[in-house]
Amino acid sequence: GAVVSQHPSRVICKSGTSVKIECRSLDFQATTMFWYRQFPKQSLMLMATSNEGSKATYEQGVEKDKFLINHASLTLSTLTVTSAHPEDSSFYICSARLWAGTSTDTQYFGPGTRLTVL
Amino acid sequence: AQSVSQHNHHVILSEAASLELGCNYSYGGTVNLFWYVQYPGQHLQLLLKYFSGDPLVKGIKGFEAEFIKSKFSFNLRKPSVQWSDTAEYFCAVNGGSQGNLIFGKGTKLSVKP
Repeated sequence: GAVVSQHPSRVICKSGTSVKIECRSLDFQATTMFWYRQFPKQSLMLMATSNEGSKATYEQGVEKDKFLINHASLTLSTLTVTSAHPEDSSFYICSARLWAGTSTDTQYFGPGTRLTVL
Repeated sequence: AQSVSQHNHHVILSEAASLELGCNYSYGGTVNLFWYVQYPGQHLQLLLKYFSGDPLVKGIKGFEAEFIKSKFSFNLRKPSVQWSDTAEYFCAVNGGSQGNLIFGKGTKLSVKP
């Protein structure tokens, strides 16, 4: 099956620093990747849609200058949390969209990144 | 706006019991429906999906789900659960404007050995 990796799996940083999270589709190309945030005991909330070669589309309430997304290739998207603060501590999950026609439109998820900002 | 409802927050069953987890969605257009499972400490894995055709879809590990269009439902079932099915289950619909998934809040399943 399709595999998506995320790196790092866990990161602890000081307030004010920036953290970069990588999301890679290992065995397929993904023109679209999604970044979600999962709060404890809650569902996944979409933060932004990352399209290869174009600007990301952010959901309402998500600061684009704080959560920088770069989709540089068909297998890599990065999320950079700039000037992180404790309230940014969360579980960040990416997914890569495998699309080869409407009957195969499926997202495969990375293992997530636990960010803790001290 | 599209939404997905999972009515059961936490379900506790004994091994060999039958399982049905409810999922309802609100979306007026054509939908693709998914169930994902998240085992403790692991990432989301696709359990099964419905795009079209037979409304009864079979997934991995003995799970199945039935799409009932008139009820806007896509309930997940398994005839006999095992301890290893302990996990969180998420229902999702591919109805976002960006092609993104809209998730329900998840149902935690605990299976007692």
